[in-house]
Amino acid sequence: EAQVTQNPRYLITVTGKKLTVTCSQNMNHEYMSWYRQDPGLGLRQIYYSMNVEVTDKGDVPEGYKVSRKEKRNFPLILESPSPNQTSLYFCASSPGLAGEQYFGPGTRLTVT
Amino acid sequence: QKEVEQNSGPLSVPEGAIASLNCTYSDRGSQSFFWYRQYSGKSPELIMSIYSNGDKEDGRFTAQLNKASQYVSLLIRDSQPSDSATYLCAVTPGGTSYGKLTFGQGTILTVHP
Repeated sequence: EAQVTQNPRYLITVTGKKLTVTCSQNMNHEYMSWYRQDPGLGLRQIYYSMNVEVTDKGDVPEGYKVSRKEKRNFPLILESPSPNQTSLYFCASSPGLAGEQYFGPGTRLTVT
Repeated sequence: QKEVEQNSGPLSVPEGAIASLNCTYSDRGSQSFFWYRQYSGKSPELIMSIYSNGDKEDGRFTAQLNKASQYVSLLIRDSQPSDSATYLCAVTPGGTSYGKLTFGQGTILTVHP
């Protein structure tokens, strides 16, 4: 089944404890992206990647890191999480155009 | 001014009616326009894309784009209760930021029987 998977789906952590949210797609898509969704603020793009080893900032990249060493994987790294990073995170991929994206199921992160 | 704005909603229509969702954008050089649907507790899913001025129809859905007026709309004909969801407008910018995608805040649509 063609899909985007994210792990973990739910995570509660403490301020400052490094964490990684994994994202993997099995559709051989070149483009991948991370978003956060917050009430009243909508979906906001954190980082995106046009291909392996090519990443760029979205609208809210502060406090996040990404890497794209393989085509199928695009992990999101929070080196020192803070409570304002409590959010619902979505990973997405696209075969070409940035807008035609397939979204993963989401990861709900709580930072206390 | 927000880059992508949607009519605030929530929008409530009776079953069988036409639901009209609107979106305006501030970047005149924007290239591509998309409508996503997000059911409560689920991830967004793409329902329409439109790249040139005019109308694009897909089943009960019609997307309309007017670049001169910088708006894009989504019409849902013969609305069904299963269409009840949040609808997100998304826009890719002009220039060389090919990978960026900006979403509006979404419009909640409720279709009541």
